[in-house]
Amino acid sequence: GENVEQHPSTLSVQEGDSAVIKCTYSDSASNYFPWYKQELGKRPQLIIDIRSNVGEKKDQRIAVTLNKTAKHFSLHITETQPEDSAVYFCAANTNAGKSTFGDGTTLTVKP
Amino acid sequence: DAEITQSPRHKITETGRQVTLACHQTWNHNNMFWYRQDLGHGLRLIHYSYGVQDTNKGEVSDGYSVSRSNTEDLPLTLESAASSQTSVYFCASSESPGNTEAFFGQGTRLTVV
Repeated sequence: GENVEQHPSTLSVQEGDSAVIKCTYSDSASNYFPWYKQELGKRPQLIIDIRSNVGEKKDQRIAVTLNKTAKHFSLHITETQPEDSAVYFCAANTNAGKSTFGDGTTLTVKP
Repeated sequence: DAEITQSPRHKITETGRQVTLACHQTWNHNNMFWYRQDLGHGLRLIHYSYGVQDTNKGEVSDGYSVSRSNTEDLPLTLESAASSQTSVYFCASSESPGNTEAFFGQGTRLTVV
């Protein structure tokens, strides 16, 4: 089955700096890669996603890149703010629909 | 607005008891999933369903069962609760065929004592 590895497990940045979280996947059939943000005590919510026919996608301060050949994808957050502090999960989906999640990255943005 | 709700939000039960966690969605999604979340393990798939009468085992299905009698509901049953099943449980749903966003319920914190 699919295996998703996510790094780093914790990340601390100064407000205004950039943050990068990286994930690798194993199943070449995976074609959809969502990123979820989970604030303390809350449910995971989608913040951005990318499909296998696209190399990069951007939404304001958030961007995701995908390298299908190397089977890795990354989340980039620029100009970080304290409200970006949360746990971020990457995931990989095949057409079958089930998500395999990475173990999460706890991002702390220091004011 | 469409939503996905879980109940109860918190539950404490004793070892050996049967427990059922409810999940109800009004998105009319065919795909529904149950995950457990433990520190250091992210979200691990317990069971999933692609439609009425369809159920499938995930990576951590031992000790759990689900049934899908209608589109809206996917209850998760712990046949005989064990302390190792103390966790936060999330239900989620998504559209078919499946390479789309998953919408999560609020979660159920289960403690087995």
